[in-house]
Amino acid sequence: GNSVTQMEGPVTLSEEAFLTINCTYTATGYPSLFWYVQYPGEGLQLLLKATKADDKGSNKGFEATYRKETTSFHLEKGSVQVSDSAVYFCALSVLNQFYFGTGTSLTVIP
Amino acid sequence: GAVVSQHPSRVICKSGTSVKIECRSLDFQATTMFWYRQFPKKSLMLMATSNEGSKATYEQGVEKDKFLINHASLTLSTLTVTSAHPEDSSFYICSAQTDRGYNEQFFGPGTRLTVL
Repeated sequence: GNSVTQMEGPVTLSEEAFLTINCTYTATGYPSLFWYVQYPGEGLQLLLKATKADDKGSNKGFEATYRKETTSFHLEKGSVQVSDSAVYFCALSVLNQFYFGTGTSLTVIP
Repeated sequence: GAVVSQHPSRVICKSGTSVKIECRSLDFQATTMFWYRQFPKKSLMLMATSNEGSKATYEQGVEKDKFLINHASLTLSTLTVTSAHPEDSSFYICSAQTDRGYNEQFFGPGTRLTVL
């Protein structure tokens, strides 16, 4: 079947620290992979995506590389800011169906 | 582009009443819309998939008669929570897929429902 496994949070980092949020997946077929961000009280916003193996998605300093050999799509940012505090969801899409991870809460402290 | 709106953003109602939530694609035609429910500190649970002009497809365990979905046009889908109870209190999020066949969903900002 199709599923996404995300590292459990919450994650607390100091400003300017390096961030990694692990995400692995299982999928039939050829999925597209996504990271969404949810700020408090809001809906989901697309952060970045990758549609095929070895693609790198990037946005706002965040990056993730579609690794087919390890079925992973880890989210990274070199220097986090307080404004990055949010919940991050890894997701895959195959045959127009979306599957979400459980979300990882990130808090960045000054 | 690809903006999805939801209305209302927050609603409080009494137990036993019905509540309608609207989901609109503002600048594109959405052949398919999805309704999700999010519990506190949990991931999104897909409730149903709706295609314009046809009946919604509900996920297992979701009561069709309680959560009425109508996809009246290519830009509007509505979710009506009928005879609401406190356990229906949740954050409801819709998403829409464009008619360009691109494998991506665009999410609305969500509706916080509180049933007293």
